[in-house]
Amino acid sequence: AQKVTQAQTEISVVEKEDVTLDCVYETRDTTYYLFWYKQPPSGELVFLIRRNSFDEQNEISGRYSWNFQKSTSSFNFTITASQVVDSAVYFCALSDQAGTALIFGKGTTLSVSS
Amino acid sequence: EAGVTQSPTHLIKTRGQQATLRCSPISGHTSVYWYQQALGLGLQFLLWYDEGEERNRGNFPPRFSGRQFPNYSSELNVNALELEDSALYLCASSLTFQAFFGQGTRLTVV
Repeated sequence: AQKVTQAQTEISVVEKEDVTLDCVYETRDTTYYLFWYKQPPSGELVFLIRRNSFDEQNEISGRYSWNFQKSTSSFNFTITASQVVDSAVYFCALSDQAGTALIFGKGTTLSVSS
Repeated sequence: EAGVTQSPTHLIKTRGQQATLRCSPISGHTSVYWYQQALGLGLQFLLWYDEGEERNRGNFPPRFSGRQFPNYSSELNVNALELEDSALYLCASSLTFQAFFGQGTRLTVV
């Protein structure tokens, strides 16, 4: 069975701090896709990144970076120099193949104060 | 380019009634997914439609149903509403490997 675990329910930081959101997944498939989404108070899920199981290269996009490690089944997300606008709920998700449903973690609520 | 649009934004129904939620995917996207985000339960997969057919279904009772129209828009119907059906219902559309979400419909059952 597939499963995504986000052990951190809530994280609070002060602006300019770095913060890492953890994601651990379980799957028996050799081909799978991992995602991170951001959900601001408006409710819409905003796509941040997609990774397939064959690409373990870490990625950096501005203040965002992702660390994918198959050996530990983890796909962690780091925000560098956090800002108040980063406050949101962040979801990690897993898909076993193109077109099937996303399995979401419970989400991590990030609060960044000024 | 317009994103995924959902209507209505908010919906209030009485227990036992039926609710109909609508979703218009991004132009060119053939797959539509429905998810329920209930308080304390996280995001749970409901239904997946592709090319007018139901392709997959989550662990929900049959009173949750839907359909996809020839223009790829979709409806989610919830019959015999229960208080526990109160949630944010999110629709997503996809063409390849990336799902784009709408802003959701907030359903409140009283």
